[in-house]
Amino acid sequence: DQQVKQNSPSLSVQEGRISILNCDYTNSMFDYFLWYKKYPAEGPTFLISISSIKDKNEDGRFTVFLNKSAKHLSLHIVPSQPGDSAVYFCAASRGNFGNEKLTFGTGTRLTIIP
Amino acid sequence: DTGVSQDPRHKITKRGQNVTFRCDPISEHNRLYWYRQTLGQGPEFLTYFQNEAQLEKSRLLSDRFSAERPKGSFSTLEIQRTEQGDSAMYLCASSLDNRAREQYFGPGTRLTVT
Repeated sequence: DQQVKQNSPSLSVQEGRISILNCDYTNSMFDYFLWYKKYPAEGPTFLISISSIKDKNEDGRFTVFLNKSAKHLSLHIVPSQPGDSAVYFCAASRGNFGNEKLTFGTGTRLTIIP
Repeated sequence: DTGVSQDPRHKITKRGQNVTFRCDPISEHNRLYWYRQTLGQGPEFLTYFQNEAQLEKSRLLSDRFSAERPKGSFSTLEIQRTEQGDSAMYLCASSLDNRAREQYFGPGTRLTVT
């Protein structure tokens, strides 16, 4: 069963505009969420994370929002830049010590149009 | 470069052969994870180590797979009697104990079984 879902396989956004990537999860035991960015031929790169005790976390151009009641999170990138073109993975983790494995979504390919 | 490194980057093997991959984590990270990624999917957890102890294995890790981290530093993942279904990207990640869910990934080893 797919516990973390990214329903949009791809997204195209004009340079300078806002990119919004969405992620839904089904397991209410998840309490920590992360976004990773992946370029071709490279491993995923950690981007930003959020704990379930928060509803927003911001780091420069990147903001993650968490809506626990809807089991939904989103990543906002503003302004979008050509270097942001990549595949973005949402990941989730449970809180038990020793059980920090990440469960990933299937990814969204973001293309920034110059 | 002090990131996670993996060797080899690519491996082509014939069905039935054994293969071994190596991962060198970030030096101060005592947690090491193996994930597998197939086309169109996100990474899926296989196993993880805290120092030299293997603490969890996924159901995805059949008896043909074995992972070791003998001195708590580098790790190896061996697949015996490879099958075509083993073709995938094998990713290694590492983290600190107190930030276990912020995992840093290597570039991966792409395995093709012919």
